Amino acid sequence: DSGVTQTPKHLITATGQRVTLRCSPRSGDLSVYWYQQSLDQGLQFLIQYYNGEERAKGNILERFSAQQFPDLHSELNLSSLELGDSALYFCASSAEGFGGAFGTQYFGPGTRLLVL
Amino acid sequence: AQSVTQLGSHVSVSEGALVLLRCNYSSSVPPYLFWYVQYPNQGLQLLLKYTSAATLVKGINGFEAEFKKSETSFHLTKPSAHMSDAAEYFCAVSDRNFGNEKLTFGTGTRLTIIP
Repeated sequence: DSGVTQTPKHLITATGQRVTLRCSPRSGDLSVYWYQQSLDQGLQFLIQYYNGEERAKGNILERFSAQQFPDLHSELNLSSLELGDSALYFCASSAEGFGGAFGTQYFGPGTRLLVL
Repeated sequence: AQSVTQLGSHVSVSEGALVLLRCNYSSSVPPYLFWYVQYPNQGLQLLLKYTSAATLVKGINGFEAEFKKSETSFHLTKPSAHMSDAAEYFCAVSDRNFGNEKLTFGTGTRLTIIP
């Protein structure tokens, strides 16, 4: 158990709909990262938040957005869903620090999204 | 941009045999490198990481990896494979920007253990 939780585990929805994925980081971790895992694109970084502020953006579509709340949990919002958005969405968290703590991301179990 | 290449999308080894999963990186700065494992229907678990300390890194479950700058490689090895090692393995490189440590993953290697 990494200490990162994600809800829901599974989500089935229709094209054109909007969904929200939720992530709670490990206790004390300030950074939250979102990744998408699909068969054709592999594992891709979407976006990072650090202590409530957006820190880095990757291959995130404009239809997707995220935020990190004061209690450090994060939500990834996916709108106008398309069939190709079907994927496993992971959240990861990391602690800021040097040495052994630097760069280690702990992943949640993921949310499997199926768009029909 | 940093990247990693994993050679071999599928690797099969016999139980008790050596496991060798290959990873080569491309980076304009000294990289931080990671190996993660993903068991079926689960998230990613960190096996080990290289952050410019010792070049031979030992991880969990008997795995280790050696950073070779001259070969730009970070291959993962385990002396004796167990059935429980069957999983998908991902090599990843991190941007060495404090506070922005996004991971760039390879395409993964699926390891099958033959009884």
